[in-house]
Formats: sequence, C-alpha cells, structure tokens
Amino acid sequence: KAGVTQTPRYLIKTRGQQVTLSCSPISGHRSVSWYQQTPGQGLQFLFEYFSETQRNKGNFPGRFSGRQFSNSRSEMNVSTLELGDSALYLCASSPASLVGYTDTQYFGPGTRLTVL
Amino acid sequence: AQSVTQPDIHITVSEGASLELRCNYSYGATPYLFWYVQSPGQGLQLLLKYFSGDTLVQGIKGFEAEFKRSQSSFNLRKPSVHWSDAAEYFCAVVPNTDKLIFGTGTRLQVFP
Repeated sequence: KAGVTQTPRYLIKTRGQQVTLSCSPISGHRSVSWYQQTPGQGLQFLFEYFSETQRNKGNFPGRFSGRQFSNSRSEMNVSTLELGDSALYLCASSPASLVGYTDTQYFGPGTRLTVL
Repeated sequence: AQSVTQPDIHITVSEGASLELRCNYSYGATPYLFWYVQSPGQGLQLLLKYFSGDTLVQGIKGFEAEFKRSQSSFNLRKPSVHWSDAAEYFCAVVPNTDKLIFGTGTRLQVFP
C-alpha cells in the first residue's frame, strides 16, 4: 500500500499571500489530520477531517482552514500568510476518526512552507 | 496544566549502549500513549503504543516502553543503540480520545 503523500514538499511564499497544501491518505483511510511543526512550538494539532466533515480543531486562527473530498484527499489552506506560519506541515491518516481514538495515525513526509 | 513532558532535549550515546528516553504526562486519567520517531526530512513513524493491558509494550526496531501509572511516565528504551537510530523522538498522548498531543521531542545522537 502506498503511504500518505503530501504535495508540494517545499513551498516559498511571501507575507500576505495564501497557500494550499494537499494530502492524499492511505487507500481506505477516511480520517485525515493536519499538524504544524515549528522549532518553537513543536508539533501542534490543526484539525481533523473525517468523511468530509471537520471533527476537531486545534487552537489556530481562522486563517487556517481545510477541507476533505469524497475520495478522502484533503487540502489545507492558509490565507494572509505571516512570517510565523513558516513550518513543516504534516498530514496523517487513519482508518477511523480520532474521536473515540483507537487507531494508529500514519504520517506523510510533510510540506515545508517558508514565508518571506 | 495538562501537558506532555520530555525533559531531555538532546541525548548522545555511543553505538551499542543502552538508551532510555523519558516521557511524563499530566492528565487525570490514563491517556493513550505513543512514541514516534522522526528522521531528518521525514514524517513521523510510530514506534509503539499503549492503550491498556500489559504495561511493557514492544515496538518496532527493537524499542520497548513501560507505562508506570504511579509515575505518570511512559519511558522508551532500547538495549543496544544502532547508528541508524539517530533521529528525533516524540512522546504523544491522546488525553480525551480526540486528538494527539505531542511532547517537545528528544534529539538522539549516536557516536560510533
């Protein structure tokens, strides 16, 4: 089985722009979660989508949004980029929703976003 | 405050030496517990997990972890470290069965 894939792997944007990141989960997995990883804040949960519905959300501003398509692929969007948004954005998939968590999450390699 | 603590930011060991990485959590009930490893430029790979039952958990790559309720700890161990184990290790918990909370990570360096 192919693993979780994320595109693009690297991205450079300037402040004020917006960006869309893509995540394709493992085949058959219906839950996709997004995490932000920075040296200062570590790994932080952004949100989880399951069956095209956002099930849970972390403590991030509304500039961070996402969606999930019927094939379980997910996109994450960040509008009005700030310098502090520079990070590694990781996507993880699991067979079932994290709510009532019992499933293992499988992580992709991440998208490295640099905001200049 | 509820948290996951990995007190060691950086650990250096010689190849062949034993390893123990510490993890403590401060949640009221016993959460689900995980250890992940991240190699440079890579995503996270699950080493092992604890949900319930036997408190000594075996994982991949020769790693094991022991859950100690009295100490709110879930320390990761390996009897003999290999150079390929050099990476960053993250302890994580699911406190309320809804999301994964990570510790700050421990970077492991292995000398030949």
